[in-house]
Amino acid sequence: AQRVTQPEKLLSVFKGAPVELKCNYSYSGSPELFWYVQYSRQRLQLLLRHISRESIKGFTADLNKGETSFHLKKPFAQEEDSAMYYCALRGGSQGNLIFGKGTKLSVKP
Amino acid sequence: KAGVTQTPRYLIKTRGQQVTLSCSPISGHRSVSWYQQTPGQGLQFLFEYFSETQRNKGNFPGRFSGRQFSNSRSEMNVSTLELGDSALYLCASSLAGSGTVGYTFGSGTRLTVV
Repeated sequence: AQRVTQPEKLLSVFKGAPVELKCNYSYSGSPELFWYVQYSRQRLQLLLRHISRESIKGFTADLNKGETSFHLKKPFAQEEDSAMYYCALRGGSQGNLIFGKGTKLSVKP
Repeated sequence: KAGVTQTPRYLIKTRGQQVTLSCSPISGHRSVSWYQQTPGQGLQFLFEYFSETQRNKGNFPGRFSGRQFSNSRSEMNVSTLELGDSALYLCASSLAGSGTVGYTFGSGTRLTVV
């Protein structure tokens, strides 16, 4: 079964500290993986796609097929990074996204 | 260009009633997906439409249905509402139905069933 697991409901760090939001997935084929972010009172928006190997707002994520993980990282957290982060998987030819339950990141001053 | 527009923003309905939610995708986007978001279950896929055809369906009862029009606008309908249907319903559009480029989400319709 296709599944996305985000083990941490809440992650609290201080400004300037490194951040790693964990995401593990279960999928037998070659998945497409995404990170979405939802800032307070804003709509869900795409942050990263694994296929593009980009860095957005200082965040990066590497797909590790051996460990079936797609952790989101940032070396120095900023207060404006505080938000809900969702890892999502799209498997095969289906268009739907399978989301993890989300991790709330809180960056303290 | 305008983003994904969902109407109405808020709805309060009584158990047993039915409700219709609307989604206008970004101009040129032909794929529209619907998701239900609740605190307990998180984001769950309802269905996806592409060029007026339902291409994929999640694991929801038949009370949940949808359709897409020739202008790509989509509606979802929930009949015989239950208290558990209270949720934020999100619509997402993409250019060609390929998730590779990501989906753009609307602000959602918050449905409360009393």
